[in-house]
Amino acid sequence: DAKTTQPPSMDCAEGRAANLPCNHSTISGNEYVYWYRQIHSQGPQYIIHGLKNNETNEMASLIITEDRKSSTLILPHATLRDTAVYYCIVRANAGNNRKLIWGLGTSLAVNP
Amino acid sequence: DGGITQSPKYLFRKEGQNVTLSCEQNLNHDAMYWYRQDPGQGLRLIYYSQIVNDFQKGDIAEGYSVSREKKESFPLTVTSAQKNPTAFYLCASSIFAGSSYEQYFGPGTRLTVT
Repeated sequence: DAKTTQPPSMDCAEGRAANLPCNHSTISGNEYVYWYRQIHSQGPQYIIHGLKNNETNEMASLIITEDRKSSTLILPHATLRDTAVYYCIVRANAGNNRKLIWGLGTSLAVNP
Repeated sequence: DGGITQSPKYLFRKEGQNVTLSCEQNLNHDAMYWYRQDPGQGLRLIYYSQIVNDFQKGDIAEGYSVSREKKESFPLTVTSAQKNPTAFYLCASSIFAGSSYEQYFGPGTRLTVT
């Protein structure tokens, strides 16, 4: 599975959009980009995933560059409850190995 | 409510004792996973199971054992052979088939061994 690089920390003002970047320059053609978040001392929560096209759901939007070497998770109107560590993971959905390889993520602080 | 339950939330044990962490899911998921998280670190995979009565070692299986006798349950035993067992343990499950393999996590068990 390809590795990802994320900034260790970011700040965002409440009500503003939070844009969290992720670099995955060695991503393979069959690997998806997944985003999870972990609020302190809780289990991680799935947010969104995508292959090539941009994706949106009720939680966030995922923008993947055309060359697929990077992506951005967008929380359109961040709230204090969005303060968490955000993990970007790339992995293939095929084959017997369905492991997720977790990095250190980005610690997002949403400030009032 | 469908979900994953882990019990207990906090667990304290003396060094040299085996301890079993519970994980139950009612999501009808085929695959289940155990991860370990140390302070300030990402999750590391201990064991995973894709089907009942079958499981595979993850990246840090030494000192741990699992069983998968029922689809709903995937208990993890931390044995006395695990050199540094104090950690936050997370159980997850995912649907087996299809293109979407997002994992759903339980609330975790924080194990302290002294």
